[in-house]
Amino acid sequence: DGGITQSPKYLFRKEGQNVTLSCEQNLNHDAMYWYRQDPGQGLRLIYYSQIVNDFQKGDIAEGYSVSREKKESFPLTVTSAQKNPTAFYLCASSPGRTKPQHFGDGTRLSIL
Amino acid sequence: LAKTTQPISMDSYEGQEVNITCSHNNIATNDYITWYQQFPSQGPRFIIQGYKTKVTNEVASLFIPADRKSSTLSLPRVSLSDTAVYYCLVGSDLTGANNLFFGTGTRLTVIP
Repeated sequence: DGGITQSPKYLFRKEGQNVTLSCEQNLNHDAMYWYRQDPGQGLRLIYYSQIVNDFQKGDIAEGYSVSREKKESFPLTVTSAQKNPTAFYLCASSPGRTKPQHFGDGTRLSIL
Repeated sequence: LAKTTQPISMDSYEGQEVNITCSHNNIATNDYITWYQQFPSQGPRFIIQGYKTKVTNEVASLFIPADRKSSTLSLPRVSLSDTAVYYCLVGSDLTGANNLFFGTGTRLTVIP
């Protein structure tokens, strides 16, 4: 089955530590996205990539970094500069910007 | 920037038709309108997409007036399993990443 796989499902971070969230897709989609969702809130765009080796900042990119070395993979690193990283992180992909996005099941990040 | 405005919440009885309206006064010529459904602790799921007039699929209809400044998602005969948050998203291939704005969505509660 084609889809998006996010791992891990739950992640814990110590203060001052960087952590990387994995996102892999086998849908052959060009565009990939990372969103953050806080309790009771909507999704906010962190980063967006339309093609390999290219990505753009979203509304809340500070404290996050991404890479897009392969079409299938778009990992997100939550750096120690992100002072409030506790949230539900969602990865998505789409064939293009006007096409519907397919989402993974999310990673819930918490601070120890 | 075609940001969207939706009612925060709606209640409906089982078997009723539900209409959720989204305002997007600054929609651009190339923007499409896409609706998603999200259950707790899951990624959003695509429902329907349209550009103008009316679109219908097996689960919903989307009505878009001529000026395209709003759109209405119509769910026929809702059931308890339709209780979820519904998001309206406006964007296109030609606009920047910041146009991927989900907003806070509409929390629909279906009552037995």
